[in-house]
Amino acid sequence: DVKVTQSSRYLVKRTGEKVFLECVQDMDHENMFWYRQDPGLGLRLIYFSYDVKMKEKGDIPEGYSVSREKKERFSLILESASTNQTSMYLCASMGAGGPEWEQYFGPGTRLTVT
Amino acid sequence: GQQLNQSPQSMFIQEGEDVSMNCTSSSIFNTWLWYKQDPGEGPVLLIALYKAGELTSNGRLTAQFGITRKDSFLNISASIPSDVGIYFCAGRKGSGNTGKLIFGQGTTLQVKP
Repeated sequence: DVKVTQSSRYLVKRTGEKVFLECVQDMDHENMFWYRQDPGLGLRLIYFSYDVKMKEKGDIPEGYSVSREKKERFSLILESASTNQTSMYLCASMGAGGPEWEQYFGPGTRLTVT
Repeated sequence: GQQLNQSPQSMFIQEGEDVSMNCTSSSIFNTWLWYKQDPGEGPVLLIALYKAGELTSNGRLTAQFGITRKDSFLNISASIPSDVGIYFCAGRKGSGNTGKLIFGQGTTLQVKP
């Protein structure tokens, strides 16, 4: 079974702090994704990575950056946390793609910025 | 970014009833996925569909890839209390190797014992 783990289930940070969210997958997947989930808005893609050191912006990259130094690890960075970044953050991984395009999710990190 | 139109937004049903939800789009999709999210957890993949017209079952769940490739539906038969959660559809457009998915807003299901 695919296992995707996230470093924290719950996190409380202050406005202006630098925040690191870590995601690790154990299936040697090429592709990894970061989403945020807000009520009524579904899942929105922040960034994704299709290989080590490669990254692409998703639909809502503003205020976020990412790092992928190793294949199994994908980090989401909030350079200066703001209250509108309070949300549930979900990491997902996927194999090389084609013919299967299934993403597998971690348990999520609920971030509160005060 | 574009989102899929998922309906209904929420459902409150009696245990034993059947449930139906769907996703529609103005664009053609090549892949449809259905996920379930339990409270406080990440989404879990239920069913993946790759061909127009494809009908796939997973226990009491059945999903179909619409023949026009612009829609998909999920049915749950004989609902039970543990079916409670948020159900998401997700679609992949176009060709190429990108694995980017577009998600629906979710259907929140509540089951009364």
